[in-house]
Amino acid sequence: GAGVSQSPSNKVTEKGKDVELRCDPISGHTALYWYRQSLGQGLEFLIYFQGNSAPDKSGLPSDRFSAERTGGSVSTLTIQRTQQEDSAVYLCASSVGLSKETQYFGPGTRLLVL
Amino acid sequence: GQNIDQPTEMTATEGAIVQINCTYQTSGFNGLFWYQQHAGEAPTFLSYNVLDGLEEKGRFSSFLSRSKGYSYLLLKELQMKDSASYLCAVRPLTSGTYKYIFGTGTRLKVLA
Repeated sequence: GAGVSQSPSNKVTEKGKDVELRCDPISGHTALYWYRQSLGQGLEFLIYFQGNSAPDKSGLPSDRFSAERTGGSVSTLTIQRTQQEDSAVYLCASSVGLSKETQYFGPGTRLLVL
Repeated sequence: GQNIDQPTEMTATEGAIVQINCTYQTSGFNGLFWYQQHAGEAPTFLSYNVLDGLEEKGRFSSFLSRSKGYSYLLLKELQMKDSASYLCAVRPLTSGTYKYIFGTGTRLKVLA
């Protein structure tokens, strides 16, 4: 596995249901990011994990959104009681956490809330 | 606040040169990145600038002026496959963290 992987690739759910989105970063990458991208828009920062430090949750839009990163590797983004405005592509990225190193993005999860 | 501005859309002709501008206002500065994103795909890295000046990489070049809070991405010898969104991202200067602020992206259409 050379790149960042995300699952599921597509998710259709009903309003009010909970969803879990998974991200497998590149092995050895200490930094992991979640973004949301609505149709035709730029990337909206959600949350950032760096090593064992407390995550930066400043971008989470409401308390319905939460994320965790277990063992410094896999991360799960959970959206509780989904709303139609949560429909978007959720992108995960990872990096080695060094100054000049870029992020590498996963293919994203396309979430549609009916 | 932190803000990044890019034009929403640009159109250019195959074989031509196009310049996509990005201006930013952030709390300090620790690098600027350009990404290419084709429709329905994830962003991919194009370039990185942290010092003033021009970075050239094949048909793509990126320029930075930190004093002006300004960057541009220059695409030469445009090809149809260059039709995509181009995202400017800035990393503010925050000790010990590598967080990125993204612009809304510039959709480039290359016409035959």
